[in-house]
Amino acid sequence: EAEVAQSPRYKITEKSQAVAFWCDPISGHATLYWYRQILGQGPELLVQFQDESVVDDSQLPKDRFSAERLKGVDSTLKIQPAELGDSAMYLCASSRDTSGGWLNEQFFGPGTRLTVL
Amino acid sequence: AQSVSQHNHHVILSEAASLELGCNYSYGGTVNLFWYVQYPGQHLQLLLKYFSGDPLVKGIKGFEAEFIKSKFSFNLRKPSVQWSDTAEYFCAVRANAGKSTFGDGTTLTVKP
Repeated sequence: EAEVAQSPRYKITEKSQAVAFWCDPISGHATLYWYRQILGQGPELLVQFQDESVVDDSQLPKDRFSAERLKGVDSTLKIQPAELGDSAMYLCASSRDTSGGWLNEQFFGPGTRLTVL
Repeated sequence: AQSVSQHNHHVILSEAASLELGCNYSYGGTVNLFWYVQYPGQHLQLLLKYFSGDPLVKGIKGFEAEFIKSKFSFNLRKPSVQWSDTAEYFCAVRANAGKSTFGDGTTLTVKP
């Protein structure tokens, strides 16, 4: 069964350092999502890609966070510099959407748990 | 912007008890509604979804949910829970072509 891959699974860093997370969606899935899940809360969308284009990054803290999906396949989320409040689970999800349609199920990866010291 | 409220943060039940987890959302237009489950150590996965039609939706593992438009609710139910249903449950709403908004989750513990 195809799955969304994420790496690393765990990351510990010191504040002010740079971190990067990688996501490989299910093959053929045009839409890719990055979520942040703080302990005790539900996932919050950071950025959504349709192929290589950003369609929603309204909740992405753009002063320190960046995301790219250069070839419309895998994606990288970067934080520079990391702050204590960035400690959370970062989830990647993908769906088949090819036209921005909203009827397709999101498949989630295992997440990257980030701890900022 | 839409929001989702899950009333119970932690529910503890004995096996064979009936389950109902509350979910209310705020949005005035057409929505898609979802329940996701996260078993210990596993990924988030879809339990069931509502797009249109019959407001009573059946999902995997004997779960069902009822969409009551007048109450802006989408409560999750199961007649008889098992120990293996111990997990965290998230309700989510997606409006038009917009993003999904998740509730803060309900942790269900089923005692054997």
